[in-house]
Amino acid sequence: DVVMTQTPVSLSLAIGQPASISCKSSQSLLGTSGKTFLNWILQRPGQSPKRLIYQVSKLYSEVPDRFSGSGSETEFTLKISRVEAEDLGVYYCWQGTHFPFTFGSGTKLEIK
Amino acid sequence: EVQLVESGGGLVQPGASLKLSCVASGFTFSDYWMSWVRQTPGKTMEWIGDIKYDGSYTNYAPSLKNRFTISRDNAKSTLYLQMSNVRSEDTATYYCTSGGRYGGYWGQGVMVTVSS
Repeated sequence: DVVMTQTPVSLSLAIGQPASISCKSSQSLLGTSGKTFLNWILQRPGQSPKRLIYQVSKLYSEVPDRFSGSGSETEFTLKISRVEAEDLGVYYCWQGTHFPFTFGSGTKLEIK
Repeated sequence: EVQLVESGGGLVQPGASLKLSCVASGFTFSDYWMSWVRQTPGKTMEWIGDIKYDGSYTNYAPSLKNRFTISRDNAKSTLYLQMSNVRSEDTATYYCTSGGRYGGYWGQGVMVTVSS
């Protein structure tokens, strides 16, 4: 199975600061279709996960543009340009290129 | 508004069977691959499997393939997860999600506790 490694495990930031979360995969996530199925979700405290980004860098329509995703092959990054209070929670990356699909262990974002 | 509403969870004894349901609304259910994902009490996310939009194909996590079965009824916009011979390690919150490998919406989740 593809192992997804997220760092850091947690980060504590003040509102307005930038955030960066790394996600590394044990195999290339570039599929035979030429697409890379690396996705990001956010789970706020006490809630179910919400979709954020798909195929590395594509934001869902409801996601604020302070979020961005980048990367290729085995290294990916989620960035928040300026953290807001509503951004707290646990961020997970997950891959949909290789079966079985697998998730990172999560990065907890706390607001100072 | 897209909604995915899971049901059917609860406390079950080891070795029992259980069927979870997920009713979808707000989008054309029959156009989308659908998946089940579970989250353990320790917050680990585990992909269970998915099913093609017309129900003709399924994929499973190898460790669960022999005990879990995913199906769907497009006429009812409903996704199912049949769990058999459940074990304590199946204790988790179960989510249905849309979009398959592309990801998409998540339901609110349903808790399953396996204990005697």
